[in-house]
Amino acid sequence: QSVLTQPPSASGTPGQRVTISCSGSSSNIGSNAVNWYQQVPGTAPKLLFSSDNQWPSGVPDRLSGSKSGTSASLAISGLQSGDEAHYYCAAWDDSLKGVVFGGGTRLTVL
Amino acid sequence: QVQLVQSGAEVRKPGASVKVSCKASGYTFSSYGITWVRQAPGQGLEYLGWISVYNGMTIYAQKVQGRVRMTTDTPTTTAYLELRSLRSDDTAVYYCARAGSSSWSSWFDPWGQGTLVTVSS
Repeated sequence: QSVLTQPPSASGTPGQRVTISCSGSSSNIGSNAVNWYQQVPGTAPKLLFSSDNQWPSGVPDRLSGSKSGTSASLAISGLQSGDEAHYYCAAWDDSLKGVVFGGGTRLTVL
Repeated sequence: QVQLVQSGAEVRKPGASVKVSCKASGYTFSSYGITWVRQAPGQGLEYLGWISVYNGMTIYAQKVQGRVRMTTDTPTTTAYLELRSLRSDDTAVYYCARAGSSSWSSWFDPWGQGTLVTVSS
């Protein structure tokens, strides 16, 4: 059971906009930055979006993130087949004194 | 370019220890931290801890506290993860990643390619 809650799956057709949610609490998302990671199966995770630093270099601006209270979300517009991957949210947790990850969302492009 | 290159796959018996290395290049090693994350087969990401390259300060996840040791060697810009008293549920791909200079951050960029550690009798 992950500390941050994500839907296990999401899907969309090419060109659509998809949103992935991440729910936490006041000790993690509510008081710390949220970072999003993309993992294509068989490869290492890659930083996708940071609520503090926004887009790392090389990441297209059709991906965007937002945070409100104890929840965060990642939006991907203009969906492409190359966006098929697992997406993870992460945040520092003040109570656990460590980083917590969401369980991951598998994105399928139909 | 900033790059982290990890050591190769390891197989250990239950109760043994393993040490994974992570060679950093392309940035000022001592200006950042290093974090370690693992991923069991078919599972999500699990945070193991963080080390400050500047002063060696460490933060370890409660689940591995007492069995884990993270170190760095500044002259060779290499970080190490040692895990002792291995159990079958330690079987996973272990990743290192460049982290912030403070422990309270989930910013990890980039990541190493991963090292598969298999614990089996």
